[in-house]
Amino acid sequence: DVKVTQSSRYLVKRTGEKVFLECVQDMDHENMFWYRQDPGLGLRLIYFSYDVKMKEKGDIPEGYSVSREKKERFSLILESASTNQTSMYLCASSLNRGYTFGSGTRLTVV
Amino acid sequence: GESVGLHLPTLSVQEGDNSIINCAYSNSASDYFIWYKQESGKGPQFIIDIRSNMDKRQGQRVTVLLNKTVKHLSLQIAATQPGDSAVYFCAEKPSTGANNLFFGTGTRLTVIP
Repeated sequence: DVKVTQSSRYLVKRTGEKVFLECVQDMDHENMFWYRQDPGLGLRLIYFSYDVKMKEKGDIPEGYSVSREKKERFSLILESASTNQTSMYLCASSLNRGYTFGSGTRLTVV
Repeated sequence: GESVGLHLPTLSVQEGDNSIINCAYSNSASDYFIWYKQESGKGPQFIIDIRSNMDKRQGQRVTVLLNKTVKHLSLQIAATQPGDSAVYFCAEKPSTGANNLFFGTGTRLTVIP
């Protein structure tokens, strides 16, 4: 079965901390994505990557960065966490059409 | 149908009835559409997809209808069950540009036992 694994289901971090959200897929997919999901706003694309060491900004990249050193792993980095980054973060991967999502990481910044 | 805003559209149906969830998509150049289901605390799961050269596709208890003239997509769930309670998203992929999906804000379906 196709799988996208996000390392943490729940995280609580302090304002100003550097936060790493990890995502691993076992499907040899080229494309990987990071979204945040907030009530009433739907899924908003933060960053995506079509290949190793490649990254592209999505709609809301400010305050975030990403790393794709290996094909199977796509990391989202909050350089200095702020309370407005409290959200559900979803990772997805795809080959050429539909996405497979991870279970999500609910991050709370206090 | 889906909309951008602070309130998620909701739909309540009796167990055993059929459900119809609607979605108005934005890009006439989109050639691929997907419906996802997201249960509370989980990531979205693929339900069914359809390409723009079709107007109907059926799965197990689900049917997707595509009306390109009015840019409308619907998901029909037959004999709705309590386990169908979730938020349902439509997604579209434009035929040109980046290989990204664009998502609606979702509709919350509640099944009343």
